[in-house]
Amino acid sequence: DQQVKQNSPSLSVQEGRISILNCDYTNSMFDYFLWYKKYPAEGPTFLISISSIKDKNEDGRFTVFLNKSAKHLSLHIVPSQPGDSAVYFCAAILSGYALNFGKGTSLLVTP
Amino acid sequence: DAMVIQNPRYQVTQFGKPVTLSCSQTLNHNVMYWYQQKSSQAPKLLFHYYDKDFNNEADTPDNFQSRRPNTSFCFLDIRSPGLGDAAMYLCATSRRTGGNEQFFGPGTRLTVL
Repeated sequence: DQQVKQNSPSLSVQEGRISILNCDYTNSMFDYFLWYKKYPAEGPTFLISISSIKDKNEDGRFTVFLNKSAKHLSLHIVPSQPGDSAVYFCAAILSGYALNFGKGTSLLVTP
Repeated sequence: DAMVIQNPRYQVTQFGKPVTLSCSQTLNHNVMYWYQQKSSQAPKLLFHYYDKDFNNEADTPDNFQSRRPNTSFCFLDIRSPGLGDAAMYLCATSRRTGGNEQFFGPGTRLTVL
């Protein structure tokens, strides 16, 4: 039973433009959300997180937005760079330890 | 550089032949996790250790076992691999549980013939 869903398997964006990656979840009890980035042949790398008590967190070019009423999370990358091309996983934690992952969205940033 | 190391990166085994995957960390983190990721699927937590305390996910098959002999090392044992166990196995660590980011190793790709 997939509690975290990333409905877009892939996304293509031009360099310099905004990339928006979306994530939906079903469990309203999740209290912490994270985004991970994964390059081929490497493990996922932590990118940015947000607590359920906030609605926005920003770190450089990366901003995560949380809409609890819609159970929706999004990651904005501005401006997008070719090095951002990777698979992005959304994950959620329920008062503990287990990361519930989405299936990932493959982002391609073209020059 | 502090890191999470997994060996081997690629493992081929035969149906029913036991296999052990290895994970080590230089981060001195209390918690170590094992995830299974099948093709085009989300990583799924199998179990984790908080120090020496072992925590098994309810739906982890009995075929999967784990050992953590010390802080730095954690092993995943698959007693009788089936074709359905072919996957990427990811090891991760965190300082503590609850909201902390997890640091992942590069994974071991297991093939079952």
